Amino acid sequence: GAVVSQHPSWVICKSGTSVKIECRSLDFQATTMFWYRQFPKQSLMLMATSNEGSKATYEQGVEKDKFLINHASLTLSTLTVTSAHPEDSSFYICSATTPKETQYFGPGTRLLVL
Amino acid sequence: SQQGEEDPQALSIQEGENATMNCSYKTSINNLQWYRQNSGRGLVHLILIRSNEREKHSGRLRVTLDTSKKSSSLLITASRAADTASYFCATTFFGNEKLTFGTGTRLTIIP
Repeated sequence: GAVVSQHPSWVICKSGTSVKIECRSLDFQATTMFWYRQFPKQSLMLMATSNEGSKATYEQGVEKDKFLINHASLTLSTLTVTSAHPEDSSFYICSATTPKETQYFGPGTRLLVL
Repeated sequence: SQQGEEDPQALSIQEGENATMNCSYKTSINNLQWYRQNSGRGLVHLILIRSNEREKHSGRLRVTLDTSKKSSSLLITASRAADTASYFCATTFFGNEKLTFGTGTRLTIIP
């Protein structure tokens, strides 16, 4: 199946710093990528939809100035958590779609803000 | 709010038994998908069933869809310890690729 990677797999940072997470589709071109966050023992909540070459579409309640998304190519989308605070600590997962409708998920990035 | 509610929230069974998880949703869908997530990892796509399909099989997995009841079930037969994971249903709507996830079922297979 299609492979999606994320980097880094985990990150610890100080409060107030910015963190960038990369999501790459390794063996296919993804016109659309999605970013989710997941709190412990909870389900995935969609944060935003990222289309190559255009602005991301954010879900209600997600601050676009805090969670900056860039989708510069058909294989790369980045999520930057700006001025991170402890409440931003979470598991961030990206996915990429193929023409067959299936979303393929990355392995996730665990963010801990101290 | 989340589209899908899953039942049960947690399930523990003996290895070799069958496991059944249910998912209910609120509005008309284009398709419904099931995913597995091992602890602290990404999601693995298991199976997709379209709104005009009623049943699909993949190996030890059997998925049913009842659009009149707005519900789906995932059956895992002859469970194995490696099946221990959280299972999520997710739905899409016509003309929209977004997935809306259910609350998930945590399945534990006891060796």
